[in-house]
Amino acid sequence: ETGVTQTPRHLVMGMTNKKSLKCEQHLGHNAMYWYKQSAKKPLELMFVYNFKEQTENNSVPSRFSPECPNSSHLFLHLHTLQPEDSALYLCASSQPSRGPDTQYFGPGTRLTVL
Amino acid sequence: GNSVTQMEGPVTLSEEAFLTINCTYTATGYPSLFWYVQYPGEGLQLLLKATKADDKGSNKGFEATYRKETTSFHLEKGSVQVSDSAVYFCALLETSGSRLTFGEGTQLTVNP
Repeated sequence: ETGVTQTPRHLVMGMTNKKSLKCEQHLGHNAMYWYKQSAKKPLELMFVYNFKEQTENNSVPSRFSPECPNSSHLFLHLHTLQPEDSALYLCASSQPSRGPDTQYFGPGTRLTVL
Repeated sequence: GNSVTQMEGPVTLSEEAFLTINCTYTATGYPSLFWYVQYPGEGLQLLLKATKADDKGSNKGFEATYRKETTSFHLEKGSVQVSDSAVYFCALLETSGSRLTFGEGTQLTVNP
């Protein structure tokens, strides 16, 4: 599935670093999502954007800062992270107006915080 | 609130064996139901879905039927292959909104 791409695929950062994750969807969708997948835990929804507007923030710490400049691109800016933030970060997109809102996922960014 | 419960893994089968992964849900209204698959080192791929009661989703030999009376959406495949080794996630989408609720995932390993 190449409809949703994410870069980088792997990222190692120190707790004082600032980095950004990028997601791009080529499916013409209007909604985009960030999820966190940690070991032995269900996927956690972090943020939802509809038509570039943030519609949901699932009590995510402020060290995670999303940005959605247009319907095709979504960023997750990271700063002063903690080791427990190490996880797979997944981006997804969907088209809510086309019936049941099926979400399509990217390959994820594997983040390691040292 | 909504919740999804999957059978605990890991599940280990021999090639050509029959597969069932149980999934039950709790939700208000009439959610849509999904199975996603995650191969090693990759993101989630949509495997199949069903949007109303008694619908059957199917793809790549996998099937699941939306059973409202038992609030279940069990995944089945008649003959698994080594290439089916992956983690399988059951999920529901609430009637209104875009929030997907996932189960914890079931690791499947198929041995030759």
